[in-house]
Amino acid sequence: EADIYQTPRYLVIGTGKKITLECSQTMGHDKMYWYQQDPGMELHLIHYSYGVNSTEKGDLSSESTVSRIRTEHFPLTLESARPSHTSQYLCASSETTGGAGSGELFFGEGSRLTVL
Amino acid sequence: AQSVTQLGSHVSVSEGALVLLRCNYSSSVPPYLFWYVQYPNQGLQLLLKYTSAATLVKGINGFEAEFKKSETSFHLTKPSAHMSDAAEYFCAVSVGSGGYQKVTFGIGTKLQVIP
Repeated sequence: EADIYQTPRYLVIGTGKKITLECSQTMGHDKMYWYQQDPGMELHLIHYSYGVNSTEKGDLSSESTVSRIRTEHFPLTLESARPSHTSQYLCASSETTGGAGSGELFFGEGSRLTVL
Repeated sequence: AQSVTQLGSHVSVSEGALVLLRCNYSSSVPPYLFWYVQYPNQGLQLLLKYTSAATLVKGINGFEAEFKKSETSFHLTKPSAHMSDAAEYFCAVSVGSGGYQKVTFGIGTKLQVIP
């Protein structure tokens, strides 16, 4: 049973449109993440958040932006979608643990974006 | 900096045969290691994790992995493959600093189970 939810699961949209991918978790986790996943490639971290009002860019440069106004909510926005944004986007969260470096990631089911 | 290498992007086994998925890591500090599984059109789900306790870690669905520091390996095994094991498997290494864990994933190994 998933405690982290992503909507929409699938989105096909035209170039230039603004899109928002929603991510919500009910586990009370402080840390949330957005990963981009392409076939045959490793998952790339594009955004993360330590908590409310905290957002940071990840390892892979992305034209998307994120916000964290509530603990449970971490939406990702593309102001003007392009075909190069076609990918699967995975949202994840983790709890703060006593030992730095531990802590598993809990993933949503993903949002598959296709930009025509 | 840490990195993960998964040997073999595609592995095929017969139903009932041993499953062995290879993962080697590099890390400048003692790492935490994870195996995740991804079924088609799903997110990633944790199979098992190594967090410096026992070197042999048992996970869900009959999978286990052994941490071998001398070989910098964390290979995933299952004695007998089942059709439902067909999925993509990701090895990951996590190193923390200041409460933030940087997680690096391998490129994944697709497991095919042949009837």
